[in-house]
Amino acid sequence: QSALTQPASLSGSPGQSITISCTGSNSDIGNYNHVSWYQQHPGKAPKLLIYEVTNRPSGISDRFSGSKSGNTASLTISGLQTDDETDYYCASYTTFNTWVFGGGTKLTVL
Amino acid sequence: QVQVVQYGTEVSKPGASVKLSCKASVYSLTSSHMHWVRQAPGHGLEWMGMSADIGDTTRYAQKFQGRVTMTRDTSTNTVYMELRSLRSDDTAVYYCVRDFAWSFGSWGQGFLLTVSS
Repeated sequence: QSALTQPASLSGSPGQSITISCTGSNSDIGNYNHVSWYQQHPGKAPKLLIYEVTNRPSGISDRFSGSKSGNTASLTISGLQTDDETDYYCASYTTFNTWVFGGGTKLTVL
Repeated sequence: QVQVVQYGTEVSKPGASVKLSCKASVYSLTSSHMHWVRQAPGHGLEWMGMSADIGDTTRYAQKFQGRVTMTRDTSTNTVYMELRSLRSDDTAVYYCVRDFAWSFGSWGQGFLLTVSS
């Protein structure tokens, strides 16, 4: 099971919106809505941002939103803030009854 | 509200085995699947496997098949992950994570394992 594909890095300016893509296959993203997104600050455990493609857990800002089309899922962050500068990961359930992560995207807020 | 309690560091030698533990502090283990995810220094997240909420069902990433065993003790509300035949590239932070709607909901603080001779 190969890792999901994310851009290694992205950048944006405060106030802008950015979208992080996560590309898989018919064995994972394309076959299930069990796609999730995580934010991880340095030295900290990851935090769940989005689950089941579009849902936000309690306490997560509505600046974070998720979507999916075919084998690609996306995380959009609107109104970029300096605190958004960190690493983001996607994950998906697979037809092998396992889970797989993306390689991670480092977001820079210029 | 801390849900998953996990802490510590350990140094092990190549070829050895390690058994990490993780205690659920607020809920019963029988109410959630529990995953183990690791992160090598400077690298991304890697799913290792999971222990189901009921029964002894486990699922492991192919990469770890035959080298990992995940178990749970419902009397102490604790899950365990044993990794055998350790190699230097097993050096990583190991997270115990509570499942939430097919995602990784509540993360432990992580356990740093260093494999070195």
